[in-house]
Amino acid sequence: DARVTQTPRHKVTEMGQEVTMRCQPILGHNTVFWYRQTMMQGLELLAYFRNRAPLDDSGMPKDRFSAEMPDATLATLKIQPSEPRDSAVYFCASGPGQTYTEAFFGQGTRLTVV
Amino acid sequence: GDSVTQMEGPVTLSEEAFLTINCTYTATGYPSLFWYVQYPGEGLQLLLKATKADDKGSNKGFEATYRKETTSFHLEKGSVQVSDSAVYFCALSDQGGGNKLTFGTGTQLKVEL
Repeated sequence: DARVTQTPRHKVTEMGQEVTMRCQPILGHNTVFWYRQTMMQGLELLAYFRNRAPLDDSGMPKDRFSAEMPDATLATLKIQPSEPRDSAVYFCASGPGQTYTEAFFGQGTRLTVV
Repeated sequence: GDSVTQMEGPVTLSEEAFLTINCTYTATGYPSLFWYVQYPGEGLQLLLKATKADDKGSNKGFEATYRKETTSFHLEKGSVQVSDSAVYFCALSDQGGGNKLTFGTGTQLKVEL
């Protein structure tokens, strides 16, 4: 059963520390997304990759967030330095890229910055 | 730009009641429309989709019809169960958008015995 895998599932860190979240997209998918979910803002798109190239990261705070795809099986989202307002659930999703197809979501990383 | 508007929650229903969650959208071109469901502590799962006007998506007793004339994609179920309690998200993907989704704010559904 193909699925998007995210690690870690939970992360508690102190303000100022670096946080790295990882995502393994479904094999063969060529689009990858990072979303952030909070009670106040709902689901926000942070970054979007197609064939490992970043297409849209306009939703991401550039000064502290970075997203990369070192290879087709790994996407990373880093926050450095982390702040309490970054506390949220971060979802990775992947898709086959064709019109009319859907994105598949991982179970998320719940980040708490204290 | 694209946008999705869905009804505010929470929606609280008794088991076996009829469910409607309204969703309207704004998009250029001909988007694909989706309903995703999120159970507590989990990620989003696709519930159903429709890719062109008048298409009806259906799954697990849920249905939604793509209405281009009213730019709507309302979710319905004839008889809800306690296990349907979750947050429901309406979303769209533009033609050529390559799975990039624009989401509504989500509607929490609570079903009571």
